[in-house]
Amino acid sequence: DIVMTQSPLFLPVTPGESASISCRSSQSLLQSNRYSYLDWYLQKPGHSPQLLIYLGSIRASGVPDRFSASGSGTDFTLKISRVEADDVGVYYCMQGVQTALLTFGGGTKLEIK
Amino acid sequence: EVQLVQSGAEVKKPGESLRISCKGSGYSFTSYWISWVRQMPGKGLEWMGKIDPSDSETNYSPSLQGHITISVDKSINTAYLQWNSLKASDAAMYYCARSIRGTMWVGLDVWGQGTTVNVSS
Repeated sequence: DIVMTQSPLFLPVTPGESASISCRSSQSLLQSNRYSYLDWYLQKPGHSPQLLIYLGSIRASGVPDRFSASGSGTDFTLKISRVEADDVGVYYCMQGVQTALLTFGGGTKLEIK
Repeated sequence: EVQLVQSGAEVKKPGESLRISCKGSGYSFTSYWISWVRQMPGKGLEWMGKIDPSDSETNYSPSLQGHITISVDKSINTAYLQWNSLKASDAAMYYCARSIRGTMWVGLDVWGQGTTVNVSS
């Protein structure tokens, strides 16, 4: 299994400030096509998860450009600029390399101070 | 509009059987895998398994293999998650989600609204 480890567990943020979430995989997610098969999802309270980022850094349709992601191989970061109240929820990373056994990180709960 | 619509909430007793469904619309159903994801109360997301609607090939999480069955009826664009004998620990929210078939991974891009399963004696 590819183990996904996120930090921090909780992330209190003042509106308007930036926030960063880290995700590390136990194996490289970098593929021969130069993409890392790493996604970021947001689950807002009481809602289904939604795809934010795929292939390590590509924003999904409709995702604001305040959300950006970087990284390659085994270390990845999601950055949220100018945090808004609507950004609260739990953020998850997930690997898409082993499609026969997909795995999520444990989640990072973003809350507004 | 592309969507996955799941069946409604269920209340069951331990030992009972259950099948929940996930119906796709607005896209070519056989072009996308359907995954099932579990979220136990207050916990994170756990991938359970997936099915390829084009040929019904399945993959399961080793921790759930043998306890669940994922199936599909492509004639009605519907995937299923089934238990033959529920346990109290199966109480959770269950989501289905699609991902495009093939080697180019682009994420679980559409999710169902979730199905709550309560299991209690």
